Amino acid sequence: DAKTTQPNSMESNEEEPVHLPCNHSTISGTDYIHWYRQLPSQGPEYVIHGLTSNVNNRMASLAIAEDRKSSTLILHRATLRDAAVYYCILLGLTGGGNKLTFGTGTQLKVEL
Amino acid sequence: NAGVTQTPKFRVLKTGQSMTLLCAQDMNHEYMYWYRQDPGMGLRLIHYSVGEGTTAKGEVPDGYNVSRLKKQNFLLGLESAAPSQTSVYFCASSYLSFGQAPFGAFFGQGTRLTVV
Repeated sequence: DAKTTQPNSMESNEEEPVHLPCNHSTISGTDYIHWYRQLPSQGPEYVIHGLTSNVNNRMASLAIAEDRKSSTLILHRATLRDAAVYYCILLGLTGGGNKLTFGTGTQLKVEL
Repeated sequence: NAGVTQTPKFRVLKTGQSMTLLCAQDMNHEYMYWYRQDPGMGLRLIHYSVGEGTTAKGEVPDGYNVSRLKKQNFLLGLESAAPSQTSVYFCASSYLSFGQAPFGAFFGQGTRLTVV
């Protein structure tokens, strides 16, 4: 499976935008980029995913580089509830699609 | 709508004891998974199932067994618990495989297991 690299931690102030980067230089053409987050003492929660084009949903936006070797999860206005570990994961439609592998992710801290 | 429910939420076992963790989902999902998460680490896949009556090994299957007799339930068994199995266990389900599911997978709240 292709590997992703994320910063260990990031900090943000409440009400400000947050850009969480992810590098995946060995991504294959059929790999989707998925983001999950894990709030304290809870199970992971799906955030967003995309293939080539930028994606938006009610939780966040996903900006994907043109060469697909990196992506950025964007939280438009961080709240205290967004403090969590964010995982960037690559998944194919077959094979690896059944084996979601979580790295150590990025711990996002949100301050007042 | 309960989503994914794990039972129990906490358990303490003595070395050598056995137990079964139950995962139940009410979303009619085909795929179900069991993960473990150790302190400061990401989740690791133990076993998974792509439908009723099927199971497959994940990344760390040793010491665990699973069964999927009913579509809505996925059981994780520890036949002889060891301290190395102290962890938080998460169950997840998805309509299609992780890579295909349009809204991703749904995870339970976790079971905190301590083996002494």
